[in-house]
Amino acid sequence: IAGITQAPTSQILAAGRRMTLRCTQDMRHNAMYWYRQDLGLGLRLIHYSNTAGTTGKGEVPDGYSVSRANTDDFPLTLASAVPSQTSVYFCASRRTGGSYGYTFGSGTRLTVV
Amino acid sequence: AQTVTQSQPEMSVQEAETVTLSCTYDTSESDYYLFWYKQPPSRQMILVIRQEAYKQQNATENRFSVNFQKAAKSFSLKISDSQLGDAAMYFCAYTSGANSKLTFGKGITLSVRP
Repeated sequence: IAGITQAPTSQILAAGRRMTLRCTQDMRHNAMYWYRQDLGLGLRLIHYSNTAGTTGKGEVPDGYSVSRANTDDFPLTLASAVPSQTSVYFCASRRTGGSYGYTFGSGTRLTVV
Repeated sequence: AQTVTQSQPEMSVQEAETVTLSCTYDTSESDYYLFWYKQPPSRQMILVIRQEAYKQQNATENRFSVNFQKAAKSFSLKISDSQLGDAAMYFCAYTSGANSKLTFGKGITLSVRP
């Protein structure tokens, strides 16, 4: 089934640890995004990639890094997790041009303790 | 920078009644897209309806319709014949341009009373 796969589904992480959230899509979409969702704040963009080999900063990039080595994968890394990074993280992708249809993964719930 | 505002954090509607969720946005662009997404407790983001700014006709998808007022920068969602399954968080979102990102409002939690 075409779509986005995120892993893990949920994770409890000790503060100071390094963590990589995985995101893989099989739709050959050019653009990919990472959002975090917090109650009362909606979804906020962390980082994005318009095409393989390029990345950009979103609204809340501090403490996060991304890479886009190929079209399908867009991992998000927390180098040294802090409690304020407790959130639900969504990966999304979009085929550039056309009707701007976005596809979302099912999210990763991360708790930093 | 583009912003999307959903000023009502919560709303409630009686089953079978109609409810309208409000959304305003700010942009200097003339061509853009607006969306309403539904997020049930499963956490999945589900596209409800999409509106292209260049289209004057309001988008409609079954029981869901929008009232798009481009001059007022308003994009409200009307849910007719509300059902228990409509209970969810709803997000208004905006994007413009080929490489633009999706900007979300803060969301509104809709409850449906049986």
